[in-house]
Amino acid sequence: RKEVEQDPGPFNVPEGATVAFNCTYSNSASQSFFWYRQDCRKEPKLLMSVYSSGNEDGRFTAQLNRASQYISLLIRDSKLSDSATYLCVVNPYNAGNMLTFGGGTRLMVKP
Amino acid sequence: EPEVTQTPSHQVTQMGQEVILRCVPISNHLYFYWYRQILGQKVEFLVSFYNNEISEKSEIFDDQFSVERPDGSNFTLKIRSTKLEDSAMYFCASSEGAAQSSTQYFGPGTRLTVL
Repeated sequence: RKEVEQDPGPFNVPEGATVAFNCTYSNSASQSFFWYRQDCRKEPKLLMSVYSSGNEDGRFTAQLNRASQYISLLIRDSKLSDSATYLCVVNPYNAGNMLTFGGGTRLMVKP
Repeated sequence: EPEVTQTPSHQVTQMGQEVILRCVPISNHLYFYWYRQILGQKVEFLVSFYNNEISEKSEIFDDQFSVERPDGSNFTLKIRSTKLEDSAMYFCASSEGAAQSSTQYFGPGTRLTVL
């Protein structure tokens, strides 16, 4: 089983739509979770950290379900500029400072 | 806003040659990392560096790889004898503290092409 698994997409949505991405992770003792965004041929950039209680940043909401080892990202009112690949990232337990990346979910927002 | 910088942006080399990829982490950061991303694949951890020594490394980071912080600002990744399969984007990252509590900021990457 892959350590961090994501649906690669692409998700093609119209502007203004709400879209949700999911991610599962295999190490039940993982302790830190993140969503990064990666534009084509660019570096990953932190979108938001994911906390146990769930957290929101503007149009973006992240949820963590430790029992199911599942992380989600919800984007409301999609903009053209949201088109990118969204990377689910985990800091596994006992792995020090390494981050484990999922393969990413590609989002394309159309006018 | 402070940024991680990397040079060169693109490096082309012949198989078997040595390459050195350079990074300047954010100035007050204490933890440094190298990751790589083969085209079309996921980002993979190579190594982390703290207090002038390697703190973790992955299976990819074999004897052909080494890292160094030669002065107070640069952080380098050396590949001793490049192979075709080393062709990838190499990202340097830095963080103020440990991964559990600090964001890792990534540089723009060096695209390495091994011919």
